[in-house]
Amino acid sequence: AQSVSQHNHHVILSEAASLELGCNYSYGGTVNLFWYVQYPGQHLQLLLKYFSGDPLVKGIKGFEAEFIKSKFSFNLRKPSVQWSDTAEYFCAVNAGQAGTALIFGKGTTLSVSS
Amino acid sequence: DVKVTQSSRYLVKRTGEKVFLECVQDMDHENMFWYRQDPGLGLRLIYFSYDVKMKEKGDIPEGYSVSREKKERFSLILESASTNQTSMYLCASSSGTRGYGYTFGSGTRLTVV
Repeated sequence: AQSVSQHNHHVILSEAASLELGCNYSYGGTVNLFWYVQYPGQHLQLLLKYFSGDPLVKGIKGFEAEFIKSKFSFNLRKPSVQWSDTAEYFCAVNAGQAGTALIFGKGTTLSVSS
Repeated sequence: DVKVTQSSRYLVKRTGEKVFLECVQDMDHENMFWYRQDPGLGLRLIYFSYDVKMKEKGDIPEGYSVSREKKERFSLILESASTNQTSMYLCASSSGTRGYGYTFGSGTRLTVV
């Protein structure tokens, strides 16, 4: 069965600091990878996704993630965080075939102080 | 604006009651999903469906069942509610195989007393 591990439960940063959130998955076949964000009181929103091709993917709001196949990792990065990035971040994976569901990690809460 | 609508935002039920959580999508999506979200545990997949009358168990199906009689509607049923089923329940839908177009509902916060 697929699983997703997010290394940090809670990250606290000051504005303008750089961010990296770790994500590892366990699945040996072709996967699709995602990062979702949930701002306080809001729906889950897609930040970025990786299906194939360039392993460095860019998403909304200045976020990017790098897929490293050999490490089964898909870490999320942002060079300079803002107070408005305070949210919960979820890494998710699904196998690249019909009829499969997204499996989510446990989430990382990011708190950014101004 | 396309959407996934969950019938109740907040729900309080008694232990042992049969509970129905309804989800409707207007995007003609084939796939629909039920997750529960708990602090520190993320989103855990309960059941999903990739076609009418089809259903697949997720990671935590015990104590739940589902019904999908029409393409746009996916119901989650708690056969006999228990306090450990107090949670936020999220419905989602998607089209195709890649999970690209997951759209989430706003969630139902269920409290079982």
